[in-house]
Amino acid sequence: GENVEQHPSTLSVQEGDSAVIKCTYSDSASNYFPWYKQELGKRPQLIIDIRSNVGEKKDQRIAVTLNKTAKHFSLHITETQPEDSAVYFCAAGGIQGAQKLVFGQGTRLTINP
Amino acid sequence: GAVVSQHPSRVICKSGTSVKIECRSLDFQATTMFWYRQFPKKSLMLMATSNEGSKATYEQGVEKDKFLINHASLTLSTLTVTSAHPEDSSFYICSARDGSGSFDTQYFGPGTRLTVL
Repeated sequence: GENVEQHPSTLSVQEGDSAVIKCTYSDSASNYFPWYKQELGKRPQLIIDIRSNVGEKKDQRIAVTLNKTAKHFSLHITETQPEDSAVYFCAAGGIQGAQKLVFGQGTRLTINP
Repeated sequence: GAVVSQHPSRVICKSGTSVKIECRSLDFQATTMFWYRQFPKKSLMLMATSNEGSKATYEQGVEKDKFLINHASLTLSTLTVTSAHPEDSSFYICSARDGSGSFDTQYFGPGTRLTVL
């Protein structure tokens, strides 16, 4: 089955700097890659997603890139702010029309003021 | 965006009792709902996929007789943890797929923290 690896597990950056989180997946049939943000004790919130027919997608300070050949995708957050501090999860899904997602291990992002 | 509710938010029960958790899609119809378990500082582990009007599909290693799932309507799925034991203590989160929009987008409920004494 699909396996998703996420790195780093923890990331600390200065406010205003950029943060990058990377994920790799194993099944080349995966075609949907969402990113979720989860604050302590809260539900995961979808922040951005990308499909396999697109190489890059941007939404204000957040961008995601996808390299299908290498089977990896990345989340980029620019001009980080303290409220960006949270745990971020990548996921892969969409294999053969199946709707389930396989999640990465998560990255705890801390923005230092 | 789509709203998913979950009830109760917290439950404490004695070992051996059963606990029912409800997951509702409030402003859309969810033909598919998912149940996850999350341990402290860990990732989301998919337990089962729940399709309206049919039997749930369980992930490998998840006991279907232990974790009963019912998806009786397009807006409600329930997870019953039967004969709960301390090792069942965890954070259980549901998600729902909005079939009217994006094919794969899942929206999560707020989660239920189960503590079994």
